[in-house]
Amino acid sequence: EPEVTQTPSHQVTQMGQEVILRCVPISNHLYFYWYRQILGQKVEFLVSFYNNEISEKSEIFDDQFSVERPDGSNFTLKIRSTKLEDSAMYFCASTKDRTNYGYTFGSGTRLTVV
Amino acid sequence: QKEVEQNSGPLSVPEGAIASLNCTYSDRGSQSFFWYRQYSGKSPELIMSIYSNGDKEDGRFTAQLNKASQYVSLLIRDSQPSDSATYLCALTTSGTYKYIFGTGTRLKVLA
Repeated sequence: EPEVTQTPSHQVTQMGQEVILRCVPISNHLYFYWYRQILGQKVEFLVSFYNNEISEKSEIFDDQFSVERPDGSNFTLKIRSTKLEDSAMYFCASTKDRTNYGYTFGSGTRLTVV
Repeated sequence: QKEVEQNSGPLSVPEGAIASLNCTYSDRGSQSFFWYRQYSGKSPELIMSIYSNGDKEDGRFTAQLNKASQYVSLLIRDSQPSDSATYLCALTTSGTYKYIFGTGTRLKVLA
């Protein structure tokens, strides 16, 4: 069964550094999403992306965050200057269309900011 | 006001029993509802979705939706120790495709 792949599985970074989290969505999917989950808290929406544009974003997704689809297969989340409170699990998801049958999430990247 | 509310648990049930997980929501415009299972340190896995009032069954799982009362529930029949996990309720509201998650209910199935 096709799956969403995320790398790295765990990243440790110093506060103030830039990080790029990578996702390879399912190949024929057109809609892409990032969510995050701070330890012990709920899963929170960050951003959705379609046709090389952000289609929706949350208040969390401020100027420190950006997303990109640099080629036909990768979908990346960049955090420009990491803060301690950015430490969380970051999940990528993709869907073929907007019919809302439910996302398949990738296995996640655990980001630890020290 | 919280958008999606779940009892954090833990809910403990003996093996073979029915586990009942509940979720209430505040936005009457909520349209699509999902149950996810999340094991510790792992990503959420989709169990099932429900869009219309009533029951929807898939194997040992039954989702129930009551839009008038603004709740959605998940029943797990013949609970197994491997069902021990956190169960997340999620929904979409009108005009958006982002998912709003509850904090989850931790289920423990005792062997």
